[in-house]
Amino acid sequence: SQKIEQNSEALNIQEGKTATLTCNYTNYSPAYLQWYRQDPGRGPVFLLLIRENEKEKRKERLKVTFDTTLKQSLFHITASQPADSATYLCALDRAGGFKTIFGAGTRLFVKA
Amino acid sequence: SQTIHQWPATLVQPVGSPLSLECTVEGTSNPNLYWYRQAAGRGLQLLFYSVGIGQISSEVPQNLSASRPQDRQFILSSKKLLLSDSGFYLCAWSRGGNTGELFFGEGSRLTVL
Repeated sequence: SQKIEQNSEALNIQEGKTATLTCNYTNYSPAYLQWYRQDPGRGPVFLLLIRENEKEKRKERLKVTFDTTLKQSLFHITASQPADSATYLCALDRAGGFKTIFGAGTRLFVKA
Repeated sequence: SQTIHQWPATLVQPVGSPLSLECTVEGTSNPNLYWYRQAAGRGLQLLFYSVGIGQISSEVPQNLSASRPQDRQFILSSKKLLLSDSGFYLCAWSRGGNTGELFFGEGSRLTVL
């Protein structure tokens, strides 16, 4: 069955450092991969989408890489701030599909 | 700009009681609409999606049903709640043709006692 794996352990980093979160998947051939941010008790907020033919995408302090051979995406937050503390969800989609599947997320804590 | 409203935000219901969660989207036409459920520490589980009025696709056999009576209204219902229906329910929309990005509501926390 399709599976998305994100590090279930929380990631603790110091303010100003780069946070790197990992998303691995199996039994799936996504057309694109997305990252969302979710704060406690709130709905997820879309951050970035990267397509299967793209290796890297950036948006301000965020960078996403997508390796379809390794079946892995890395999500980087540079110059991290305490306000970046949240749970980050990885999600996959097939082309023309409506069934976005989500990982369980990784909790990030940025210490001042 | 587009907005999505979901209510109620919090709900405590006894086992066997009915359920109705509502979701409306403003500022867009013919959106794709979704209901997800999120259990603590787990990923979002897709329950239903709809590409048009009256068109509902169910992903998981369960005690729930969905309806889309209007273009921008999506309702999640149950006739008799089970304890296992407790969770965080999220409504979402995406643009027609499925560009990928999902826009979520604030969620409804359901506790079945």
